[in-house]
Amino acid sequence: SQELEQSPQSLIVQEGKNLTINCTSSKTLYGLYWYKQKYGEGLIFLMMLQKGGEEKSHEKITAKLDEKKQQSSLHITASQPSHAGIYLCGADGVSQSGNRDDKIIFGKGTRLHILP
Amino acid sequence: DGGITQSPKYLFRKEGQNVTLSCEQNLNHDAMYWYRQDPGQGLRLIYYSQIVNDFQKGDIAEGYSVSREKKESFPLTVTSAQKNPTAFYLCASAARDKETQYFGPGTRLLVL
Repeated sequence: SQELEQSPQSLIVQEGKNLTINCTSSKTLYGLYWYKQKYGEGLIFLMMLQKGGEEKSHEKITAKLDEKKQQSSLHITASQPSHAGIYLCGADGVSQSGNRDDKIIFGKGTRLHILP
Repeated sequence: DGGITQSPKYLFRKEGQNVTLSCEQNLNHDAMYWYRQDPGQGLRLIYYSQIVNDFQKGDIAEGYSVSREKKESFPLTVTSAQKNPTAFYLCASAARDKETQYFGPGTRLLVL
C-alpha cells in the first residue's frame, strides 16, 4: 500500500530562520496536498501540487513537487511565531493497478515550534 | 460564511453508549469524509460519501456507522463496538470526489 513519510517529525527553529519539511511517497504522486493544523483544531488547506516540477507559493511558504513526482518539500522563509503548528502532507491514493483511487492518504505530520 | 461545522467540540462517552458526531457543510459539496486522528499518527479514513444516500467504508470503519440523507449533513455514530474511541475526529468535504478536501474544526471524543 502507498505510504507517505514526512521528515523531520519535529522541528524547532529560531524566529526569522528558514526551514524545510519533506514528504516522500512510496508511489508516484497524482496530487499532493499540504495542510497546516493548530493543536486541537481542524486542518487548513495550504496548497495542492499536481505536475512534476511544479512550485507554488503562499505568503512566505513555498511548496515544490519534484520532477519524478515522488517527493514534495515545503519551505518557509523568515519564520514567524504564526507559522508554528503541525504540517501534514496528503496524497491522492494509488490503487494496486496503479490508478488514482478515491482516497487521500496522509503523512504523520511535522510539528514545528518557533522560538522567539 | 461558507464552511464546515462540527459539533460538539468535546464529547464524553460512557462505556456501552453510542454517540453521534455532527458534521454540516454549506459549501454545496458532493463528497464528505470522516477521519480519526490519534497522537503521533496521521489521519485515518473511517467512512466517505461521494453522493447523497451512498457511502463507502474507509480503512477503519469497524465500530462506526454513518448516514448521508442530505447533501449538507454526514453524521458519524461511534458505537459501543468501537473499543478504543478516544480520539480527535475530523470531518471534511470536497466539491466532488478527488478534489481538494476542506476540513471542519474537529470533535474530541473522550471515554469516561
